This record gives sequence, C-alpha cells and structure tokens, in this order.
Amino acid sequence: SQTIHQWPATLVQPVGSPLSLECTVEGTSNPNLYWYRQAAGRGLQLLFYSVGIGQISSEVPQNLSASRPQDRQFILSSKKLLLSDSGFYLCAWTGARESPLHFGNGTRLTVT
Amino acid sequence: AQSVTQLDSQVPVFEEAPVELRCNYSSSVSVYLFWYVQYPNQGLQLLLKYLSGSTLVKGINGFEAEFNKSQTSFHLRKPSVHISDTAEYFCAVSTNDYKLSFGAGTTVTVRA
Repeated sequence: SQTIHQWPATLVQPVGSPLSLECTVEGTSNPNLYWYRQAAGRGLQLLFYSVGIGQISSEVPQNLSASRPQDRQFILSSKKLLLSDSGFYLCAWTGARESPLHFGNGTRLTVT
Repeated sequence: AQSVTQLDSQVPVFEEAPVELRCNYSSSVSVYLFWYVQYPNQGLQLLLKYLSGSTLVKGINGFEAEFNKSQTSFHLRKPSVHISDTAEYFCAVSTNDYKLSFGAGTTVTVRA
C-alpha cells in the first residue's frame, strides 16, 4: 500500500535560519506531489506542485522554494526564514488527476 | 488564472436541518471538482468528486453536490445534518496541468 512520510512534525526556527522539510512517498511511482500551507481562514494555500523529477511549478512568489531530486521525494526549503513563514505545512500526493489527494501528517513550523 | 471561492466562512446549523455550502471557481479550462472534509484534529478526507457525466454527484455520509458549468459552481448539500457533521469543508479544483487549488474552507457547526 502507498504511504506518505513527512517530517519533522514540529519545528521551531529563528528568523533568518534555513529550512528544509522533507516528504517521501512509498508504494507508488511517478506521483504528483504538492506542498500546501494551511492557515485558519485561508484554507490550503498551494505553494508548489510537481508532476515529475525536476519539474516544479510555483504558485505563490515568496521566501520558499521546492525541489524534487528523486521520483518520490519532495523538499520544501528556504534560505532565510521570515516570521510570516510560520504555519502548518502539508505535503500531499496523487496518482492521477481524478484521484483523491493523500496527505502527510503535516509540519507545524514556528519562526521566532 | 484559477481560483476557488467558498462564499461562507462559517455556517451554523441545527441538527436535522439542511445545509448548503457554496463554492464557485474560475478557470478557462476544463476542471475536475472535489469536496474534502476535515474533522477536528484530523486530516482531510474526500467527500465526493465531479469528473464528467451527471452533474449531480453523491458522496459519503449523505452529502451530494451539483456541478453547474454556466455558473461555474459546485455547491455541496446535505438534507439533514448530524452533530457529527461538525467539521471544516473545502472545495477544490483540479485543472489539466495537475494544479489542485483549494478554497478557504467553510466551518460547519451543528447544534442540537
């Protein structure tokens, strides 16, 4: 069966520090991968999505970047965190456009 | 550009009363439409989806939604709600480039 792993679960980082959140999917190949940020009253804000290795689509110009170095690995990064980067980050995957999204457990990021 | 608008951020409703959650989208291409539910302290779960065919789709837990192409809407309904339907509901739109965007969410609170 397919599983999605996202870590860490919680993270507290100072302003100006770098960030790396990792997401991996097991049990499937060539998944479509997504990074979302969930904030109260704003729903799930799509940050990045990828339909293949090295293919990244960015939705929101901001202080973050994403990479897909392997088929089932999706990484969210920042060189210098801002206070406004605090939030709940969710990784998700789907095998086909008509299939439901499967979400990771999320990472609660607090930038201090 | 693609966007998803959920017209109501909060919907209080009494038990056994009907409920309708409104969703409008804007897209210049064909779309797939989804409704997800997030119960308190849980992840997102697919309620139903529209891909093609009949514009009225039925989902889990007695929910249904109607796709209206001319009005670019996909409203969610349930004829009689239960306390257990208290949750946050998200409308989502997928375009043919695999971009999957969510609305801001509607919080449904069911009262006895």
